[in-house]
Order: sequence, then structure tokens, then C-alpha cells
Amino acid sequence: EAGVAQSPRYKIIEKRQSVAFWCNPISGHATLYWYQQILGQGPKLLIQFQNNGVVDDSQLPKDRFSAERLKGVDSTLKIQPAKLEDSAVYLCASSLYRGSYEQYFGPGTRLTVT
Amino acid sequence: GQQVMQIPQYQHVQEGEDFTTYCNSSTTLSNIQWYKQRPGGHPVFLIQLVKSGEVKKQKRLTFQFGEAKKNSSLHITATQTTDVGTYFCAGLETSGSRLTFGEGTQLTVNP
Repeated sequence: EAGVAQSPRYKIIEKRQSVAFWCNPISGHATLYWYQQILGQGPKLLIQFQNNGVVDDSQLPKDRFSAERLKGVDSTLKIQPAKLEDSAVYLCASSLYRGSYEQYFGPGTRLTVT
Repeated sequence: GQQVMQIPQYQHVQEGEDFTTYCNSSTTLSNIQWYKQRPGGHPVFLIQLVKSGEVKKQKRLTFQFGEAKKNSSLHITATQTTDVGTYFCAGLETSGSRLTFGEGTQLTVNP
């Protein structure tokens, strides 16, 4: 089966610019996650969707970050405006359902903000 | 909020030596998952532990879940160069569905 797809793989922007990331989860997976992984740290959950509804966005900096999952499949994560500290790898993951299910991660998007 | 801590942060071993990483949660967990991330790669699921005191083995890897469901360990016997990577534990809260990752243990294996 195809894995989690993400694009772009790399992005370099200047601070105060905006950027968007796209994720296509594994077919049939109801739960989709966006994580931020800063170099040398573990992934940090930004937002979790169950189908097209938000389950947990308590760690999403809502003043600059937004995400949506239209029709319960693909998802986009946007940052506007970007700050230097947003430089990180943004990982998308999916699982069959939320809770005690293994998560399948995509290759990630490496964002550099200059 | 929930915190998950891992030690050590780095571990360098000679090929053939054993390796252990420890994971501790600030709260009781519903279950714990372990992931491996190769250099430049993404996290890949290894295993999930659910029961108190549970022990699971995968070839040279042994995973344990503490009796109080607040700590866990991963032990690798006779490391190989293919074991290189960062090992993360991730705890699932009993009250919700958020997986909280530890900071990871980066393992390097000298041939």
C-alpha cells in the first residue's frame, strides 16, 4: 500500500512570508496528525484530525498556524507569517483511528526560515 | 501537561555491545509506543505496549512496560550498524488520544 505523501520536501522562505504544506494520508486512515520536529527533539503534535473534524489543536500556535482537512482525506498546514523559530521538519502522520493505533509518518517537509 | 523523558540523549557503542534506553512519563499512560528514526528519515513504528509489566521481544530488541505504566525501556542485544538511529518512546495519555514523544536517544554504532 502507498505510504503517507507530503509535499514539498524542502522549503526556504524569509521571515514574515507565508508557506503551506500538503499531506495525503494512507487510504482509509481516519486520523491525521501534523507534527513539528525541531532538530534534536522529538515530534511535537500540532493538530490531530478525526475524519474532517479537529480532535486536538491545543498545541497549535493559532495566531500564525492553521490547518484543514477537506473531505476527511488530504490536509494542508499553513504558516502565516513565518518566524525564525518555525524552522523545523513538519511531519504528517496517519492512523486507522485515534488512540491506540500505530502512526505511519510521511517523509516530512524541511522548512528553513531566514 | 504530560511530559515524557528519555535517557540517555546520546549513546555510542561498539558493534556487538548492548544498548538500553529508558523512558519515563510524568503521568500514568494508557500505552506506550516505540519508534525508530534513521538519520534523515522519518519515525517508523516499532512496537506498542499496553499491559502493566508487559515484555515484548523483536529479534534482538526487548521492550518493557513498567508495573505502574509510567516507564518503559528498550534493550538491544549485540548491536549492529543497522541499529543506528534515534529511538523515541511515545506515551498515550489515559485521558485522551494525544501521543507525547520523548526527546529520543540517538544511537551510533562503531563497526
